[in-house]
Amino acid sequence: QAVLIQPSSLSASPGASASLTCTLRSGFNVSTYRIYWYQQRPGSPPQYLLRYNSDSDKQQGSGVPSRFSGSKDASANAGILLISGLQSEDEADYHCMIWHSSAWVFGGGTKLTVL
Amino acid sequence: QVQLQQWGAGLLKPSETLSLTCAVSGGSFSVYYWNWIRQSPGKGLEWIGEFSLSGSSNYNPSLKSRVTISVDTSKNQFSLKVTSVTAADTAVYYCARRAVAEGRFDYWGQGSLVTVSS
Repeated sequence: QAVLIQPSSLSASPGASASLTCTLRSGFNVSTYRIYWYQQRPGSPPQYLLRYNSDSDKQQGSGVPSRFSGSKDASANAGILLISGLQSEDEADYHCMIWHSSAWVFGGGTKLTVL
Repeated sequence: QVQLQQWGAGLLKPSETLSLTCAVSGGSFSVYYWNWIRQSPGKGLEWIGEFSLSGSSNYNPSLKSRVTISVDTSKNQFSLKVTSVTAADTAVYYCARRAVAEGRFDYWGQGSLVTVSS
């Protein structure tokens, strides 16, 4: 079973908010990991969005709008990427990532459709 | 402006060796980690491995036995070799730069599609 589990797809309306989850497999405690998020548009390499560990340990990517934010849900053992005020240009694939045992681990990615 | 330009053979037969090179321009070569990441068609990202000129390197355990990442500092280039390829190695391969002590891959190559087919 994959370490990071992301829903394969999510749809939301323009102007609404979308919450993308990155659930850690049992045995991996989200509280101990920095969660990184990337956006990937078709035909392009991924682009760094942000890192979230806690409110005192977070980083926004250069030029990334503040409507992209990160959080954690400890009860769900998940990292969350929240996108508010959805725009058509937000339609893309979103990947989460952690560092575990000296290796970078990616989730399977979520395709966000804005319609 | 930092640029990563990559190239290599795009069509391989099973059991052959995949070889890609990434040239770095516009920035320091010495203070970052240099990575290879791949993406199978319609799938998520898979990290392959990384190195820094400090001598530190890390590899995906599932690929480590078949992967070599090497560097040519005189040309500011680094390369990936994957031996004994199979259809499962068919993917778009990306080179990418990562800041030390950070998971921020901030510059990426354009991607190279490698297809393994008999």
